[in-house]
Amino acid sequence: GAVVSQHPSWVICKSGTSVKIECRSLDFQATTMFWYRQFPKQSLMLMATSNEGSKATYEQGVEKDKFLINHASLTLSTLTVTSAHPEDSSFYICSARAGTYGEAFFGQGTRLTVV
Amino acid sequence: AQSVTQPDIHITVSEGASLELRCNYSYGATPYLFWYVQSPGQGLQLLLKYFSGDTLVQGIKGFEAEFKRSQSSFNLRKPSVHWSDAAEYFCAVVLMDSSYKLIFGSGTRLLVRP
Repeated sequence: GAVVSQHPSWVICKSGTSVKIECRSLDFQATTMFWYRQFPKQSLMLMATSNEGSKATYEQGVEKDKFLINHASLTLSTLTVTSAHPEDSSFYICSARAGTYGEAFFGQGTRLTVV
Repeated sequence: AQSVTQPDIHITVSEGASLELRCNYSYGATPYLFWYVQSPGQGLQLLLKYFSGDTLVQGIKGFEAEFKRSQSSFNLRKPSVHWSDAAEYFCAVVLMDSSYKLIFGSGTRLLVRP
């Protein structure tokens, strides 16, 4: 299947700093990318949907100024956690989809720890 | 609102036994349904998907799922479980509105007894 690469796989940062997570589709063009957040032993909660060249659509309750999403090209989307706080510590997963409603391929996830 | 429900939080089976993980969806039209598996600290791997056609879908690793419209279900099955199947399993649905968002159920953790 198609490959989605997510970096970094883990990151530790200090409170108040910003962290950028990259999601790349390596062998296909992703018209849509999703960003999820997963708490321990819980399901994936959709944070936002991004389409190449347009602004991301955020889910209710997700702060768009805190979680900046950029989908600048058909192979790259980034999530920037701004002014991170310990409560932002979580597992973040991106996924990419080539078509409108087909199969989504997932990155390996990023474990963010804010100290 | 469209949703997908996995009623079992965790299931324990013996190695070699059969397995069925339940998934129910709430949606007016025929949904696009998926089963994903997640190992600890990892991303998700697609096991199988249903878009249309044959309601019995074959996937990777010996898994299959059956779409039953009358029961709004898409249960995942495997005739003989291996210890390496222990993981978290997620059922997911694509919302067929203008968003086409991929929404996940709460997940079922599978434990395999030796």
